[in-house]
Amino acid sequence: GQQVMQIPQYQHVQEGEDFTTYCNSSTTLSNIQWYKQRPGGHPVFLIQLVKSGEVKKQKRLTFQFGEAKKNSSLHITATQTTDVGTYFCAVYGGSQGNLIFGKGTKLSVKP
Amino acid sequence: KAGVTQTPRYLIKTRGQQVTLSCSPISGHRSVSWYQQTPGQGLQFLFEYFSETQRNKGNFPGRFSGRQFSNSRSEMNVSTLELGDSALYLCASSLGVPSTDTQYFGPGTRLTVL
Repeated sequence: GQQVMQIPQYQHVQEGEDFTTYCNSSTTLSNIQWYKQRPGGHPVFLIQLVKSGEVKKQKRLTFQFGEAKKNSSLHITATQTTDVGTYFCAVYGGSQGNLIFGKGTKLSVKP
Repeated sequence: KAGVTQTPRYLIKTRGQQVTLSCSPISGHRSVSWYQQTPGQGLQFLFEYFSETQRNKGNFPGRFSGRQFSNSRSEMNVSTLELGDSALYLCASSLGVPSTDTQYFGPGTRLTVL
């Protein structure tokens, strides 16, 4: 069935440094979603990418969908302590036609 | 608009018992999906309901069941609890079919099985 690999699993950065997480699929994706889950919280939708090569920005966050629609990245410029949490990518394509989440990248930011 | 609500927020049960969790979606949303989140397995899909019909079901044993009512509220039931069922159970609602619509997650129910 559909799988998405997300790397890295953990990332520790100094406040002000940049951060990137990657999501990779062996098959072409119709779309990809990104979520953020704060410690002790629940996943919160960030963005959905649909088009090949699409790039979307939300303040310091930049989301990119690969040209072949098999990979995606989330880049945070100049991290802040408020960026702490786990970032998940999610795609549709399970055998049940359901949303499949990557394992997530847990970001910690040292002030 | 009020967000997705889940009750109870915390639950402690013993092995062999059963449990029912409740989810109230955002007003107007017709789809509710359930997920199990554990440190080892991450977020795993349980089932999805749309207009009272189960559209999809994940790879979980038959002890896990659910339903959706005419007001879109949903419940999930786990019978004969096992230690491995300890997890955060999240529900998410969307306006229409989740494959195209954003899912909004509730705060979750933290289930501990002793």
